[in-house]
Amino acid sequence: GAVVSQHPSRVICKSGTSVKIECRSLDFQATTMFWYRQFPKQSLMLMATSNEGSKATYEQGVEKDKFLINHASLTLSTLTVTSAHPEDSSFYICSASQGVTEAFFGQGTRLTVV
Amino acid sequence: AQSVAQPEDQVNVAEGNPLTVKCTYSVSGNPYLFWYVQYPNRGLQFLLKYITGDNLVKGSYGFEAEFNKSQTSFHLKKPSALVSDSALYFCAVRDHTGRRALTFGSGTRLQVQP
Repeated sequence: GAVVSQHPSRVICKSGTSVKIECRSLDFQATTMFWYRQFPKQSLMLMATSNEGSKATYEQGVEKDKFLINHASLTLSTLTVTSAHPEDSSFYICSASQGVTEAFFGQGTRLTVV
Repeated sequence: AQSVAQPEDQVNVAEGNPLTVKCTYSVSGNPYLFWYVQYPNRGLQFLLKYITGDNLVKGSYGFEAEFNKSQTSFHLKKPSALVSDSALYFCAVRDHTGRRALTFGSGTRLQVQP
């Protein structure tokens, strides 16, 4: 299957700083990528849909000014957690679609805010 | 709105025995159904999908799933469990229209005992 690469896999940052997470589709072009958040022992919750060349679509309750999404090219989407706080600590996972039925996931990023 | 239910938080099975991880769904129209597996601190790995056609779908690592429209179920099965199958399993659904993000179940932890 297709490969989606997510970087970094782990990051620790101080409260108040910003963290950028990259999601790349390595061998296909993804006009749409998705960002999910996973709390410990819980399922994946969709945060936003990232559309190449246009603004992201955020799910209800997700602060767009806090979780900045940029989809600059057909192979790269970034999620920036701005002014991070300990409650933002979580596992973030991106996915990209190839065609209408396939979804491939990155390895995930464990964010710890101290 | 679409939804997925995984009624069991954990399934325990002895190595060599058959395993079943349950999933039921709710969606408007015909569903696309998926199973993914997640190992600790990793992203999701695709196991199999049902789009259309045969109700019995065969996937990676010897897993299979049976689509049952009347019961709105898509249970994951394997004839003979391995210790290495121990992981977190997610069922997911999307419909044929609208956005392409997946809706995930709450996950089922599979524990295979030697």
